[in-house]
Amino acid sequence: AQSVTQLDSQVPVFEEAPVELRCNYSSSVSVYLFWYVQYPNQGLQLLLKYLSGSTLVKGINGFEAEFNKSQTSFHLRKPSVHISDTAEYFCAVRGSQGNLIFGKGTKLSVKP
Amino acid sequence: DGGITQSPKYLFRKEGQNVTLSCEQNLNHDAMYWYRQDPGQGLRLIYYSQIVNDFQKGDIAEGYSVSREKKESFPLTVTSAQKNPTAFYLCASRTTSGAYEQYFGPGTRLTVT
Repeated sequence: AQSVTQLDSQVPVFEEAPVELRCNYSSSVSVYLFWYVQYPNQGLQLLLKYLSGSTLVKGINGFEAEFNKSQTSFHLRKPSVHISDTAEYFCAVRGSQGNLIFGKGTKLSVKP
Repeated sequence: DGGITQSPKYLFRKEGQNVTLSCEQNLNHDAMYWYRQDPGQGLRLIYYSQIVNDFQKGDIAEGYSVSREKKESFPLTVTSAQKNPTAFYLCASRTTSGAYEQYFGPGTRLTVT
């Protein structure tokens, strides 16, 4: 069975500092991984996805993630965060029925 | 302008009443999904449908029902049998070929008192 673990429920960081949001997955089938962002009281927006190919994936808003098969990880990174990046971030793996299996989320709080 | 719409944004009901949440998409997607979101719990799958007139239970289907009479529409009914219905409900859709990502609606916050 597939599962996703987001290791940090909250990450506080100062503006313009780098940030890494950690995600580990478990999957017995082909791995397709996603990061979504959710602003308060809104739906989820896709940041980036890994389906195959290059293990470094670039997404929107300056985010990138690296797929590491040996460590079963898909950590999200940004070299310099802005106040506007304050949101909740979800890592997800594709399930066997085409559904998404989500982690519990990481709340990123960017402070001035 | 293609997308997924959910209505209403906020919904209030008394305990014991059934309530139906609307989800419509004009993306021509075959598959549609309903998730429930609670603080600190991530998103959990309620029901999904990969084709019209067919749907399957997800991980937490008890107390919910759905229908898929049209490709564009996938309404969710929260019945009085759902013991803790207050939550944020998200609808999503995707194509069944090629890309695997799901597109989400803006959500409906249901409060039952």
